[in-house]
Amino acid sequence: DQQVKQNSPSLSVQEGRISILNCDYTNSMFDYFLWYKKYPAEGPTFLISISSIKDKNEDGRFTVFLNKSAKHLSLHIVPSQPGDSAVYFCAARASSGSARQLTFGSGTQLTVLP
Amino acid sequence: DGGITQSPKYLFRKEGQNVTLSCEQNLNHDAMYWYRQDPGQGLRLIYYSQIVNDFQKGDIAEGYSVSREKKESFPLTVTSAQKNPTAFYLCASNLKENTEAFFGQGTRLTVV
Repeated sequence: DQQVKQNSPSLSVQEGRISILNCDYTNSMFDYFLWYKKYPAEGPTFLISISSIKDKNEDGRFTVFLNKSAKHLSLHIVPSQPGDSAVYFCAARASSGSARQLTFGSGTQLTVLP
Repeated sequence: DGGITQSPKYLFRKEGQNVTLSCEQNLNHDAMYWYRQDPGQGLRLIYYSQIVNDFQKGDIAEGYSVSREKKESFPLTVTSAQKNPTAFYLCASNLKENTEAFFGQGTRLTVV
C-alpha cells in the first residue's frame, strides 16, 4: 500500500507558465516532506522541504504548500524553464515511530516546452 | 569535494551470480541508505544503516545483503536469491536520520 502517492505520472507545461506537481499521503505520522528532482541516469537532488508546522515554504521559483487536513502537498514552479524538465519525487517521513525513513512517491515527469 | 560516490555506473552480470555495488561518502554522514528504482515506481528502500556495524532491513530487503564496517562505506550485494535484480540502484546518506538525504549518481545493474 503506497503511503505517498503522486497520481500524475507526467505533466507538460509551456515555458514561463506555472508548473504544479501534486502529492498525497496517507500516514498521519508523517511530519516532514521533501521534493527531489531527478534527471535520467542520475541520482535525485534535494529541492525543497517543509515541516508540518508550516503550510508554505518558498525558495526562489519553488514553493511547496502543505494541507495537513487533506494530507496533500504541492510543488509550484514559477516561471517554469526548460531546464526544469525532470522527474520530481515527493518524499515524507515521521520524526518518531516506524516511519522515520524517507518514503517516496512514484514520481512525476515534468516537461517544460519552449 | 564532498560527496557520495557509487561505482560502477553500469554493471552487467549473468543470472545466478552475486554482484556487489559500491557506495562511498566523504561527507562524514552517520546514516546511509540503499534504494532501488524501477520504471513507474518510486524509490524503494532496500537497507539502511544509522551507525557503523549496524544496519536494518528496508521494505524490499529479500535477496540483498549489506555491510557497514566503515562509516564511509556501505556496499550492497545483490545475491542470486533476488528474483528481479535488473534495476537502477541508488545510495544515499544523511548526517542524522531527520535531515535531508544526499544521493549518489546511481548504478544501473542489468542481469542477463
